[in-house]
Amino acid sequence: EPEVTQTPSHQVTQMGQEVILRCVPISNHLYFYWYRQILGQKVEFLVSFYNNEISEKSEIFDDQFSVERPDGSNFTLKIRSTKLEDSAMYFCASSERPEAYNEQFFGPGTRLTVL
Amino acid sequence: GQNIDQPTEMTATEGAIVQINCTYQTSGFNGLFWYQQHAGEAPTFLSYNVLDGLEEKGRFSSFLSRSKGYSYLLLKELQMKDSASYLCAAVDSNYQLIWGAGTKLIIKP
Repeated sequence: EPEVTQTPSHQVTQMGQEVILRCVPISNHLYFYWYRQILGQKVEFLVSFYNNEISEKSEIFDDQFSVERPDGSNFTLKIRSTKLEDSAMYFCASSERPEAYNEQFFGPGTRLTVL
Repeated sequence: GQNIDQPTEMTATEGAIVQINCTYQTSGFNGLFWYQQHAGEAPTFLSYNVLDGLEEKGRFSSFLSRSKGYSYLLLKELQMKDSASYLCAAVDSNYQLIWGAGTKLIIKP
C-alpha cells in the first residue's frame, strides 16, 4: 500500500540553525501539506501546496518557513533560524484532491527538538 | 473565531460502546473529519462527513448535524487497540482543516 514517508524521524538542532525536513508524498497525489503538533497539543495547519506553489498558509507559517518541491518526488519544509518553540512533531500529508473532498494521508512525522 | 470542542478524555470498557462528541464553529463549512492518533504516531483517517446523517464503517460510525454544528464518532465492540486519541477536524471556507485538541480514549479490560 502506498504511503507518505518522512526523513529524518528525529532531528535535534541548536537554536538559530537551519533545518530541512523531507517528505515523499504518495506518487499520484497532487496536494501536499505540512502540519505540526507540539507535544500534548492540537495538530496545527502550516501550509498547503499545489502545482508548485503555496495554496494556503497559516499565521504560524511566517518568513522563517519555506516549502519546496525540488524534484518530482520530494516535498521539503525549511525552517531558516530555529527557535525553541519550533520543537514539535512535524507531519507531512498528501491527497489526491483538495482537503474538502478526500482524506489526507499522513506521514509518520519528524520529531524536531531545538536546544 | 474558529473553534472545535471535544472532551479531553474518556474511559470505556472493552467490548462496550462509546460516543465521542465534537462541536464546531467555523467560518464556512466544507465537511468534518475524524482521525485516530496513537501516541507518538501520525493521525490516520477514520471518516469524512459533509452531509447530515450517519456514516457507518465497520465498528466505527460518524454522525453529522450541520444545523447544530455537531458531530459524533461512535465506536462499537471496543478493543484494547482502540485506546488512542480521536481528533475531530472541520474544513472551513478556505478549505483549511481546523483541528480539535483530541479526545484521549482509555479502554479498560
